[in-house]
Amino acid sequence: QVQLQQSGAELAKPGSSVKISCKASGYTFTSYAMHWIKQTTGQALEWTGYIAPGSGGTKYNEKFKGKATLTVDKSSSTAYMQLSSLTPVDTAVYYCARYSQTTEGIVSPFAYWGQGTLVTVSS
Amino acid sequence: DIQMTQSPPSLSASLGDKVTITCQASQNINKYIAWYQQKPGKAPRLLIRYTSTLESGTPSRFSGSGSGRDYSFSISNVESEDIASYYCLQYDNLPYTFGAGTKLELK
Repeated sequence: QVQLQQSGAELAKPGSSVKISCKASGYTFTSYAMHWIKQTTGQALEWTGYIAPGSGGTKYNEKFKGKATLTVDKSSSTAYMQLSSLTPVDTAVYYCARYSQTTEGIVSPFAYWGQGTLVTVSS
Repeated sequence: DIQMTQSPPSLSASLGDKVTITCQASQNINKYIAWYQQKPGKAPRLLIRYTSTLESGTPSRFSGSGSGRDYSFSISNVESEDIASYYCLQYDNLPYTFGAGTKLELK
């Protein structure tokens, strides 16, 4: 079964960077884009961007350009999101998520989610 | 970016009630709307895709409808396990955007 296992909570200081991971299993890692979604404590959900593991190609929400950098390690089926120049507004739970698609091409958006990684930015 | 205006922000219902949540997109999203349920401390769970198609495992008391810019999501015969927050998502255009959420509580 598809599983997305994220790294643990991070406490970071303003101005620093963090890199969180999402290890995929149960499917061919390079066959599906990995998306990242931010959820603030006010509960709002924001799509951050996605990376296509096979090509390394990325697409970012304009709002997160310069803030988030998406990468993958195909050898370990792991996706990463680095958040830079952290400020308190970056404090949130970050999820990795994946579409599902049937052989007939029917798409289910964000059918699979990691458990979330809490990033807290505080001095 | 497409704005998704979701209402109401909160909803109070008794067991067995029918409740309805709406999402209005800032432009036509061609029925590419999905609905998610989220319980505290958990990731969202996909319930409905493409306006009205129930995902495997979604109880039949959940339903969705709509077209163009206006969409709705309903739960008939609310059960205690339905107490959660609900979000709409438009996936017609990048950047994908979510509604602000509706918190369903027991009256």
